[in-house]
Amino acid sequence: DVKVTQSSRYLVKRTGEKVFLECVQDMDHENMFWYRQDPGLGLRLIYFSYDVKMKEKGDIPEGYSVSREKKERFSLILESASTNQTSMYLCASRLDRVYGNGYTFGSGTRLTVV
Amino acid sequence: AQTVTQSQPEMSVQEAETVTLSCTYDTSESDYYLFWYKQPPSRQMILVIRQEAYKQQNATENRFSVNFQKAAKSFSLKISDSQLGDAAMYFCAYRSGVGGYGNKLVFGAGTILRVKS
Repeated sequence: DVKVTQSSRYLVKRTGEKVFLECVQDMDHENMFWYRQDPGLGLRLIYFSYDVKMKEKGDIPEGYSVSREKKERFSLILESASTNQTSMYLCASRLDRVYGNGYTFGSGTRLTVV
Repeated sequence: AQTVTQSQPEMSVQEAETVTLSCTYDTSESDYYLFWYKQPPSRQMILVIRQEAYKQQNATENRFSVNFQKAAKSFSLKISDSQLGDAAMYFCAYRSGVGGYGNKLVFGAGTILRVKS
C-alpha cells in the first residue's frame, strides 16, 4: 500500500513564525498536493506539484509556498503564520500514469496559530 | 470552474438501515471522474467508490453504491446495512478527465454521517 506520511499530527505556532509542513510518499508518485480542510468548506487546494521542482498554484495559494526538491517529499511553507491559517492540512499523492485513479492521503496536520 | 455541492451537512441512520448521501456538481466537461471519500475520526481519507463519467453503469463496492445521473449532474452514495464503522465525514469529489498535469480533485463541503445503535 502507498503511504503518505505527514511529519506532525498536531502543531502549535505563533503568529509571524515561518512554518514548515512536511509530507513524504513512498511509491514514486509524480503528483503531490496540499489541501486545507475547514468546516463547511470541505477541502481546498493550496498548491500542487506534478513532478520534481514543478509546482502550480491551487485555489488558495496566498500566504503559502511549496518546495519539491525530491520526488518523494513535498513541503508546504507558511512564510509568516497568521491566525487565519489555523486549519487542518492534508497532503495527497497520485500516480500520474494511471489516468482515472484517485489520491492517497496523509493523516493530516492540525495547525493552530496563536 | 467546476463546483461540487453536498447539501446535507449531517445525516443520521439506524444501524442495519440504508442511507443516501447527496452530491451535485457543475461542469461543462463530458469526460470526468467522480469519487466518494470517507474521513473517519482518525482523519485518514479513504476512497469509498469511483465512477467514470463515460460509464453508464453505476459503480458498486460491497455495501456502497452510487446513483450517477449524468444529465442531472447528480452523484449520490447509498450505504446499505449501515454499520457503526460507517460513521464518518463523507466527501464527494470531482476530477477532470481532460488533460492537464495532476488534474486536481474538487471537493464538496462534506456530510457528517452518524450511525445509531
